[in-house]
Formats: sequence, structure tokens, C-alpha cells
Amino acid sequence: SQQGEEDPQALSIQEGENATMNCSYKTSINNLQWYRQNSGRGLVHLILIRSNEREKHSGRLRVTLDTSKKSSSLLITASRAADTASYFCATDEQSARQLTFGSGTQLTVLP
Amino acid sequence: EPEVTQTPSHQVTQMGQEVILRCVPISNHLYFYWYRQILGQKVEFLVSFYNNEISEKSEIFDDQFSVERPDGSNFTLKIRSTKLEDSAMYFCASSPLGGTLTGELFFGEGSRLTVL
Repeated sequence: SQQGEEDPQALSIQEGENATMNCSYKTSINNLQWYRQNSGRGLVHLILIRSNEREKHSGRLRVTLDTSKKSSSLLITASRAADTASYFCATDEQSARQLTFGSGTQLTVLP
Repeated sequence: EPEVTQTPSHQVTQMGQEVILRCVPISNHLYFYWYRQILGQKVEFLVSFYNNEISEKSEIFDDQFSVERPDGSNFTLKIRSTKLEDSAMYFCASSPLGGTLTGELFFGEGSRLTVL
């Protein structure tokens, strides 16, 4: 798989449920970030986790990072219809000077 | 809150024509990027720019592409002779950090390019 692959590709849940998205990557990284994109809009930064961190929280967001498995997960708790968007992980590879984005998870939260 | 602005929001052009997409990054940021997203696909890195020169570029960023920061505020992407496959959303981003450690990127709303 390519650097920064998310799964599932699409996720549909009911409002109030939790949503979990996963990201896998292949190379060593400095940090991993998650971004959100509403349809037809720009990307908005959600959270950054450094390679020496294992878990980070921001409001209803919880991100974990397992560098031994080269994977990360994004948990959105108590989802809302307004959380409907595409979510992308992005890795800052140690050998590169830019972010590499994954293919994204399309989250639909049904009211 | 400071934001990255991009113009035009949508441009339609004929194949073979030149296109310039413009971006105004956040004023105290030092690193600038162009990414593109073909409809329904992943966001792809094109080029990064620091200290008035290209820092890194991808395989996509071939000779038909160029970037410039002509006046200290605008950051432009020029596509010299557009092809059908250049149709995409082009995103500009800026960051106060870069080099060996890339922090949060601040993205504009994008310029949609349609090549006919």
C-alpha cells in the first residue's frame, strides 16, 4: 500500500455514535497529522501527533500512534451530522520536506 | 484569523492554454506549498517553496509547471500548456515551519481548474 492509507474508505454512522478511522504508513516519520475536508472545500488541520507520542486528545478527537506498527487511528466521539466530511491522515516523512496525504475516509453521520 | 486566500476559485481553460493560479499565504509564514486533488482522489504534493526557491518537488511537477513569489505576498503556480489531465482542484498551503520538520499546514479553499 502507499504511504498514508486510510481505512475504511467510507464510514456511515448514526449521530451520537463514535467513528474510528485508521491510517497506515510505510516509512519513518517525524509526525502524523489528521485533516478534515468538507466537500469541495480546503483541508483543515485537526491534530498533530509526534513520533514520540502515543496518544493525543483534542475536544472530541482522540488520536493514537503506534510507530512499531506504522499505524494511527482517529476517534471522533459523540459524532454530529456536522462531522460529515472526508478525513485524511498526512505523514511528515523523515526524508522529505512535505506532507504526504493518504486516500482519505469519507465519513457520513446520519441525523 | 489569518487565512490563505486563493484566486480564482474556478477557472475554465482550453487545452494548450497557460493558466496562473494565485495564492496569498499567511503573512508571517515562511514555507509555501502547492497540492492538487483530482476529483475524488487523494491530495497530491506538487512543490514546496522556501526562501524564494523551490525546496522540493514531486514527479508531477514537470517542466510545464513553475512557481513564483513575485512581490513578497503572492505565491503563484503557472501551468504553461494545460492538458486535460491537469483538471483538478489546486490547493495552496503555508506553514511557519518546514525543512526537516513539517508542522501544521494552513490550506486555502482551492482553485478548481477545468481544462476542455
